[in-house]
Amino acid sequence: QSVLTQPPSVSAAPGQKVTISCSGSSSNIGNNYVSWYQQLPGTAPKLLIYENNKRPSGIPDRFSGSKSGTSATLGITGLQTGDEADYYCGTWDSSLSALWVFGGGTKLTVL
Amino acid sequence: QVTLKESGPVLVKPTETLTLTCTVSGFSLSNARMGVSWIRQPPGKALEWLAHIFSNDEKSYSTSLKSRLTISKDTSKSQVVLTMTNMDPVDTATYYCARMTDNPSLDYWGQGTLVTVSS
Repeated sequence: QSVLTQPPSVSAAPGQKVTISCSGSSSNIGNNYVSWYQQLPGTAPKLLIYENNKRPSGIPDRFSGSKSGTSATLGITGLQTGDEADYYCGTWDSSLSALWVFGGGTKLTVL
Repeated sequence: QVTLKESGPVLVKPTETLTLTCTVSGFSLSNARMGVSWIRQPPGKALEWLAHIFSNDEKSYSTSLKSRLTISKDTSKSQVVLTMTNMDPVDTATYYCARMTDNPSLDYWGQGTLVTVSS
């Protein structure tokens, strides 16, 4: 069971918008930056969002991130079939000792 | 450009110790803003963070696996090594190393190496 809670799956039609939530606590999301990762089938994860809402160079502005309190959200607009992937949130957790935690992952299906 | 590459055995027997090496290029392991994490992913399952080593050699481990893990680095060789003792079939997974910056985020990942635990 992951420290960060994500919905197992979300789906939407091409061109539509989808959001993926990531829920945590004050020891992780509440006091640390959140990052998001995209894992296309058979590949290594790739950084999509860092510091809650910043995009690395090369990531299209269709991808956005936000954080409020102990929850974070990844938004994807203008969905494309190529966006079908698993998405993970991650952050530091300082409840006992400093350790990194991931959400359980969300499978995005573009119908 | 920044690259990370994992290497190690593809098959280990139960109870054996696994040693994985992450060789990095494009940045220095002595850079104060950089560290390296190990993450694994069992087939069809989620990512699981294992351990992290900071530029100052401070280490952090997964609470559930701490007793079995050791992370170390050789800055001169640009390598980060992870050892995991007492391997079990449930440890079968793809093991990744990734660079962590001080933002913090895992901004570059290796391609991963699949390790199977079987007798």
